Amino acid sequence: AQKVTQAQTEISVVEKEDVTLDCVYETRDTTYYLFWYKQPPSGELVFLIRRNSFDEQNEISGRYSWNFQKSTSSFNFTITASQVVDSAVYFCALNSGYSTLTFGKGTMLLVSP
Amino acid sequence: DVKVTQSSRYLVKRTGEKVFLECVQDMDHENMFWYRQDPGLGLRLIYFSYDVKMKEKGDIPEGYSVSREKKERFSLILESASTNQTSMYLCASRNTGEIGDNSPLHFGNGTRLTVT
Repeated sequence: AQKVTQAQTEISVVEKEDVTLDCVYETRDTTYYLFWYKQPPSGELVFLIRRNSFDEQNEISGRYSWNFQKSTSSFNFTITASQVVDSAVYFCALNSGYSTLTFGKGTMLLVSP
Repeated sequence: DVKVTQSSRYLVKRTGEKVFLECVQDMDHENMFWYRQDPGLGLRLIYFSYDVKMKEKGDIPEGYSVSREKKERFSLILESASTNQTSMYLCASRNTGEIGDNSPLHFGNGTRLTVT
């Protein structure tokens, strides 16, 4: 069985603040893939990043960065200098073994001007 | 760019009605999925299909069925709609036929269904 926990239900920040969204996962498989998706108010989930279990290198893409730590089974997502357009629901997801994608319950991020 | 199109953005139906939610993708993807999204519960998988004519139950298939007669189209059917099926329904597709594959999903905009 696989599980994804996003403990933060809702986060509110003021523009330009940095914010970290937590994701903790559980799986018995040694090969697995982790994802982050963004769901803006329009409703469509947008793929942000995919990371496999053999690549623990952190990744940075503009204001976005991801910290993957197998030792703590975490795949956290940080937005630097947040903007109003970052307001959305963010989902972490896990795909391992012969199962389909399992999503966390999502974290709603509200960035105020 | 991959486009996943869900036929209706908003839908209101009465209890007991048969409801069809349609989803079409334009990138020849093999796999297609139906999820429902509810506050506090995240996304839950209803049904998925690895290829034409194939279907597999997800985590919450009760009260639903699906149809995949053509590769590009995946329909979700509520045989007799009930109020607890009021939800946001999301269709997704991806380009592989393998279980446990890591290809990202491409989502439609969702259909918000209200059953009264």
